[in-house]
Amino acid sequence: DTEVTQTPKHLVMGMTNKKSLKCEQHMGHRAMYWYKQKAKKPPELMFVYSYEKLSINESVPSRFSPECPNSSLLNLHLHALQPEDSALYLCASSQDWDPDSGYTFGSGTRLTVV
Amino acid sequence: GDSVTQMEGPVTLSEEAFLTINCTYTATGYPSLFWYVQYPGEGLQLLLKATKADDKGSNKGFEATYRKETTSFHLEKGSVQVSDSAVYFCALSDQEGGSYIPTFGRGTSLIVHP
Repeated sequence: DTEVTQTPKHLVMGMTNKKSLKCEQHMGHRAMYWYKQKAKKPPELMFVYSYEKLSINESVPSRFSPECPNSSLLNLHLHALQPEDSALYLCASSQDWDPDSGYTFGSGTRLTVV
Repeated sequence: GDSVTQMEGPVTLSEEAFLTINCTYTATGYPSLFWYVQYPGEGLQLLLKATKADDKGSNKGFEATYRKETTSFHLEKGSVQVSDSAVYFCALSDQEGGSYIPTFGRGTSLIVHP
């Protein structure tokens, strides 16, 4: 299995809703990432987990809450989002801290906040 | 800090034309270099990579050579197809910058007409 699987593919939520994005990989990768991508822009790093521990939080607002239940799963819990949070949310994984291996990205969750 | 500069798009070509997308970088250390491709509605896919000077990365007819003297990693393909229409991101990962998180360029949109 060489994929990163993200669910759901599309999500529409109100500003008072609570929802979660899910990401799963079975490649044995020990580093997992959440990125946010706006239209026609490069992805922006949000969080990094290494060996299931949060190692980088790029000053993301607390309405985004990451969770790594085990080495294969990564969640992003959403609460009280704003319309400007609408974007494509990408999960990625990599071989530990090996910069030469590159990332494997999921297809993303297209989030619309109404 | 590290940065990646890509040519501004969109690049519009006819099928079977030659493609060049320019990418230059600045880095504090000796980075690994990558090209990612993002097809419409999808996540990013690693297209090719090079980890040291004069290395040539290649995949699916695309290639790029790590040029340390000009700090460049230009993407080329001899004959593009309509199916190559996508956004292409150049990226670097710098081992000496204290983080292995890749730095992405702005992305270059490629449109190939039949």
